[in-house]
Amino acid sequence: EAGVAQSPRYKIIEKRQSVAFWCNPISGHATLYWYQQILGQGPKLLIQFQNNGVVDDSQLPKDRFSAERLKGVDSTLKIQPAKLEDSAVYLCASSARLAGGADTQYFGPGTRLTVL
Amino acid sequence: GQNIDQPTEMTATEGAIVQINCTYQTSGFNGLFWYQQHAGEAPTFLSYNVLDGLEEKGRFSSFLSRSKGYSYLLLKELQMKDSASYLCAVVPSGGYQKVTFGTGTKLQVIP
Repeated sequence: EAGVAQSPRYKIIEKRQSVAFWCNPISGHATLYWYQQILGQGPKLLIQFQNNGVVDDSQLPKDRFSAERLKGVDSTLKIQPAKLEDSAVYLCASSARLAGGADTQYFGPGTRLTVL
Repeated sequence: GQNIDQPTEMTATEGAIVQINCTYQTSGFNGLFWYQQHAGEAPTFLSYNVLDGLEEKGRFSSFLSRSKGYSYLLLKELQMKDSASYLCAVVPSGGYQKVTFGTGTKLQVIP
């Protein structure tokens, strides 16, 4: 079974530029998550999708971050404009079970973003 | 809200046993995950505890006390490849699954 795919793996941009990340979850997984992990910290949930609907985006800085999962499969996370403090690894994860029960999350390799 | 506390760093010797603690405060509790994360890599699942007690899985065991808001990960017969960060993550009760991760414990295994 293929794992969670993410691209690009690395991205370097200047502040105020825009950037987009792509995630393809494990086939059949209904739930998709985007996390931000700053160096030395644990992952912080940005947004959680159930199929193509948003379940939780309470920690997503909506003035600059946006995410979508139009067909309930792939997802994109965008930052516009980027700030220095957005430098982090952006992890995508997916899980199989529907909302209401805990289920193991499978993580992609992440995208390491550096904002100069 | 949730508050999760883990030691920042630990060092242990190859072949030894190490215990990584995690304490949490949460308004509702469903279960607790442990993930392993090697430097520059994504977290990978180690265990999920819902009930009190110890669950053993090879060299790794995880313990949970719901009444005390406490868990630990026990690593036996340490190997150099066990050098990694170990993340404790809490799943609240009710509604959808929203996992909150701790900051992680960076374990260094030395010869």
